[in-house]
Amino acid sequence: QSALTQPPSASGSPGQSVTISCTGTSGDIGGYNYVSWYQHHPGKAPKLMIYEVTRRPSGVPDRFSGSRSGNTASLTVSGLQAEDEADYYCSSYAGGNNFAVFGGGTKLTVL
Amino acid sequence: QVQLVDSGGGVVQPGTSLRLSCAASGFIFRNYAMYWVRQAPGKGLEWVAVISYDGRNEYYADFVEGRFTISRDNSKNMLFLQMNNLRVEDTGFFYCARPNYDILTGLEYWGQGTLVTVSS
Repeated sequence: QSALTQPPSASGSPGQSVTISCTGTSGDIGGYNYVSWYQHHPGKAPKLMIYEVTRRPSGVPDRFSGSRSGNTASLTVSGLQAEDEADYYCSSYAGGNNFAVFGGGTKLTVL
Repeated sequence: QVQLVDSGGGVVQPGTSLRLSCAASGFIFRNYAMYWVRQAPGKGLEWVAVISYDGRNEYYADFVEGRFTISRDNSKNMLFLQMNNLRVEDTGFFYCARPNYDILTGLEYWGQGTLVTVSS
């Protein structure tokens, strides 16, 4: 069982917006500003899309945005494109020596 | 540009050992903490271990249970993961990864992964 809870799947049509949730506890998502989101195309290296809850690394389109409310973080992808179809994972620092807990992943399908 | 190249994976029997390597280039290796993350077949990403920039501090996920050792050679820009007493459930892709800037920020750079298969 994953430490963070994500829906197994999400979908949207090209041009639409989709939001993926990631639920944790006050000991991880709700307690620290170290929430990250990763895009993973099978067979490739994961790609950092969001770090520190809302920040985007250089080169990541502003169609991707992160937010948090309480113990739940969210990734929103606006203006869906075919290449956005991938698995998305959330991650958070969980305190002490627990440097990263991941969600189980959400498979995003662009219809 | 930043490049991480994982190697050392293979097919091994339960109870045996394997040493993974990660060759880093394109950045000042000694300035960054480094991670190992794995993905079992059909499963999600899972943090394995992290080592401080100077190699003085190591931290492991609970499932490691003393079987793995992360290390680094800053003179050669290399990261290692020594895995002993391997179990069938350790099967998966292992990735080395570098944080964005601080040890707790997101993992911005990843190797391509090296496949470890533990099977009798």
